[in-house]
Amino acid sequence: EAQVTQNPRYLITVTGKKLTVTCSQNMNHEYMSWYRQDPGLGLRQIYYSMNVEVTDKGDVPEGYKVSRKEKRNFPLILESPSPNQTSLYFCASSYSGGPLTGELFFGEGSRLTVL
Amino acid sequence: GQQVMQIPQYQHVQEGEDFTTYCNSSTTLSNIQWYKQRPGGHPVFLIQLVKSGEVKKQKRLTFQFGEAKKNSSLHITATQTTDVGTYFCADNNAGNMLTFGGGTRLMVKP
Repeated sequence: EAQVTQNPRYLITVTGKKLTVTCSQNMNHEYMSWYRQDPGLGLRQIYYSMNVEVTDKGDVPEGYKVSRKEKRNFPLILESPSPNQTSLYFCASSYSGGPLTGELFFGEGSRLTVL
Repeated sequence: GQQVMQIPQYQHVQEGEDFTTYCNSSTTLSNIQWYKQRPGGHPVFLIQLVKSGEVKKQKRLTFQFGEAKKNSSLHITATQTTDVGTYFCADNNAGNMLTFGGGTRLMVKP
């Protein structure tokens, strides 16, 4: 089954404790992206990747890191989480990223709470 | 950066009534995509509009792209409880990024 898988789905952590949210897709998509969703603000792009070893900042990259060492994986790293990073995070992928014209396939979401 | 505005933010309708959400931009939109997110779920792609003045239909849903490519709309005829959710428009005017509107949350009273 074609899917985008995120882990963990739910996480409560404390300020400053490094964490990684994994994202994996099995559709051989070139393009992958991370969004955060906050009430009233819609979906805001954090980082995206056009292909392996190619990443770029979205609209709200501060406090986040990403890497794309393999085509299928695109982990989101919070080196020192802060309470303002409490949010619902979505990973998404698309067939082609140059330019992005196809639909995005979203993961189930990861709800992160930073105390 | 580009801003995509969606109105209304919320809409309550009685089952059977029609519903419309509007997506507006101060700059020319490139390709408009529409997504639906059910409560507790993730966004799911509905459709993409590319051409000026384009109209596409999916059963009770009608999608329009404005002639000047500065707005788009989604209209649902005779809403059903299964239509409940948040509807997002998104534009890829930035080339490699999709900029999402704030979404319209639709609630349907049976």
